[in-house]
Parts: sequence; C-alpha cells; structure tokens
Amino acid sequence: DAGVIQSPRHEVTEMGQEVTLRCKPISGHNSLFWYRQTMMRGLELLIYFNNNVPIDDSGMPEDRFSAKMPNASFSTLKIQPSEPRDSAVYFCASSLAGGTNEKLFFGSGTQLSVL
Amino acid sequence: AQTVTQSQPEMSVQEAETVTLSCTYDTSESDYYLFWYKQPPSRQMILVIRQEAYKQQNATENRFSVNFQKAAKSFSLKISDSQLGDAAMYFCAYRRGGAQKLVFGQGTRLTINP
Repeated sequence: DAGVIQSPRHEVTEMGQEVTLRCKPISGHNSLFWYRQTMMRGLELLIYFNNNVPIDDSGMPEDRFSAKMPNASFSTLKIQPSEPRDSAVYFCASSLAGGTNEKLFFGSGTQLSVL
Repeated sequence: AQTVTQSQPEMSVQEAETVTLSCTYDTSESDYYLFWYKQPPSRQMILVIRQEAYKQQNATENRFSVNFQKAAKSFSLKISDSQLGDAAMYFCAYRRGGAQKLVFGQGTRLTINP
C-alpha cells in the first residue's frame, strides 16, 4: 500500500484565497483525521471521520474551515478565505478503528503558506 | 482534559550512546494508550512504540524502549546505540481507551552528534 497520500505537498497562496487540501487514506481504513501543526500550538486535531461521517469537529478553528469525506477513499479540508495565521503543516492520518491494536498512519503533510 | 507534557525542547547525544526523552501526562482515566512518534526532516510522522496502560511490562522495539511509570504518569523513551538516522522531532502522545483522538506533547528535537 502507498500509505496515506496528501496533495499538494506545498501550497503558497495569498490572503483571501480559497485553499483545498486533499487526502487519500490507506485502503480499508475506516477512520480519517486532519491535524494541524504549528510551532506555537504543536499538533492539533481539527476533525475526524468514522465511515465517512464527521464525528468530532470541535478542533476546527472557525467557520472558514470545512472538511468533507464524500467516500471512503477521499477527503478534503478547505479554508475559505485563507488568512496568514492559517500557515501551518496540515496532516491527514487514517486508521482501522476498533480493536486494541489500532494504529494511526500519517501522510507527509501539506505545508501551507498564506501571504 | 488530558494533557501531555514534554519538558525537553531539545536534546543531543553522541552517536552510539543512549538517550532518554521525558514525557508526563495528566489523565483521570484508567484505560488509555501512550505512543512515541518520530518526525524526521521529511515531515512524515512515524510510530516508534506504543504502550497499553493495563500492561505492566514496558514496551520495547529493537533499540527503542519505554519506562512506563503509571502512578507517576510518566512515559519516557530510551534510545540505545543512537544512530544518525535517529535525529528527528519526537512526540509523545496519549489516547483514551475507546476514543480515537490522539493528544500530542510539544515535541523534543533530538540531535545526534557524530
């Protein structure tokens, strides 16, 4: 398996523009997570899905952020409009929920820079 | 709320030596899991080792082992025979049993001196 695939790897945009980050989880995994990493706040969970349904979005900073999972193999995180303080690395991760041996696998992240 | 604290922002060690990274956590739960993740310059988060709270035996994975002190809520990572490829950010993480959310510490940057 190719692992969790995120695109783009880098994104540079101007303030006010819409940004869409994409994620393909590992085939067969039923849980998907979006994390954000910054120097100041470390790794924060933004939202996660089970079986394509959003379970906990309490980490989504504000209404400018939205996430969707239209099917088991694809998810998007959208920021509209983007602001400089959104600059961070955004990670997608997936797992097979249930059981005691559940492990979380991360993608390589998207480095977002909002100018 | 559960919190995870890594009190060492940076650590360094000579190649082939042993280094211990510290982690403490705060929880009122009895069922939980603890993890150490490695983040090399490539940015990929890689699971190094995990520990179930109900297990008294400390987890080991080759050169990596943990010292799990449940009463003290301490979960340190020991890296033996350090190698240049061990240089990375290391994150301690907590997950409550039955939950899926991982709570991360702030990380420790480990440098290996040749």
